[in-house]
Order: sequence, then structure tokens, then C-alpha cells
Amino acid sequence: GQQLNQSPQSMFIQEGEDVSMNCTSSSIFNTWLWYKQDPGEGPVLLIALYKAGELTSNGRLTAQFGITRKDSFLNISASIPSDVGIYFCAGYPGNSGGSNYKLTFGKGTLLTVNP
Amino acid sequence: EAGVAQSPRYKIIEKRQSVAFWCNPISGHATLYWYQQILGQGPKLLIQFQNNGVVDDSQLPKDRFSAERLKGVDSTLKIQPAKLEDSAVYLCASSFWGSSYNEQFFGPGTRLTVL
Repeated sequence: GQQLNQSPQSMFIQEGEDVSMNCTSSSIFNTWLWYKQDPGEGPVLLIALYKAGELTSNGRLTAQFGITRKDSFLNISASIPSDVGIYFCAGYPGNSGGSNYKLTFGKGTLLTVNP
Repeated sequence: EAGVAQSPRYKIIEKRQSVAFWCNPISGHATLYWYQQILGQGPKLLIQFQNNGVVDDSQLPKDRFSAERLKGVDSTLKIQPAKLEDSAVYLCASSFWGSSYNEQFFGPGTRLTVL
């Protein structure tokens, strides 16, 4: 099946720094999603991208759908301690059809913010 | 609006025992998903229901895992018998409809430890 390669695996930054993480695939995706998961909780959707080239912001978060449809990145500006958590990219593969959409997740980026 | 509810939150069992998890989706959400999240990995879809019908169970180990959604609302996931490698967090999610344009809302998960 389709796999998403997410990097970096982990990041340790100082409060106030910007951070960037990305996700790549060998096959195309129709939709890219970025989730955050806090300990003991389920993932929460941060940003959804539906068109190649799309750039979307949500507060201090910005994400882009790569023009080749095989990659996406997430930027967090001016990080704060509550940004700590695991960030997952996810997507619906390009060969999905009908109503049967299977969401594929990357392995996650663990972000630690030092106050 | 109440979120996706799951119980129990934690379960510890011995291998070869049976276990069941319960999920109550967000009211009005027709689509329900069960995911398995192994430590250090992203969630992996096990089964997807549309109302009370299965639309995708291709990644469900059917020799030991079973799931049902009898009245199109609540769902249960059962493992019988459990193996050590079943230790994971089991996430339930729901969405209004099963397309890529509808956000999946995740519950807090059930953390299963198999000894």
C-alpha cells in the first residue's frame, strides 16, 4: 500500500523558534491532512489541503500541498510550549475511488519545545 | 457537541484472552472507523463502517479481530484470542460521510497491553 515518509522523526527546539516538518510519498495523494496528537488523546485535525499547490494557514500554522501531489510540509512559527506533541501527516491516495477512502498516516514527528 | 466516546481507556490482559472495546460516535455521523496505533507509528485503519455496513475491512486480521455496528450507531471491536503484538492504542473515529472532504473526529483511544 501507499506509504508516507515523514521527517524529521523528532525535533527539540526553543520557545519562539520556527519549525518545519514534511511528508513525502512515492505515489500521488488527492488530499493532505496534518494532525496533532497529545499524550493519551486521539489525533486532532490542524489543516486540510485539497488542491495541488494550495497553501493554507491556521494561526501560527502553515501547510502546503506540493505541486507534484507527492509531498506536503507544515510550518509552525513562533513555537510555544503547548505546541508539544506528535504531528502526523495523512492523506487520501490518488487512486481512491467512490466512497471508499482510506486515510494513510505517516509515522509522526515528535516536537518538544523548551520554555 | 459531545465528541467520540471510547471505553475502557486502558486494558491489560494476558495473551490468549479476549477483549472488547466500545465506541460511541458523534451524533449524526454515518461513518465510523477503527484504527490501530502501535507505539511510534501512525494510526492504521482496521475497519470502516457506513451506517451498519462494512465498506472496508481489508486490514482487519479476521482470524482474531471482529467488529460490529448493529444499529448504525455504537460499535464494538473484539480481539479473540489476543497476541502480544496486539498491544497498541485502538482509536475510534467518526465522520459525517465517508469521503475525503469530511473530517474524521477521533476518540481518546483504548490503550491495550497484552502480557
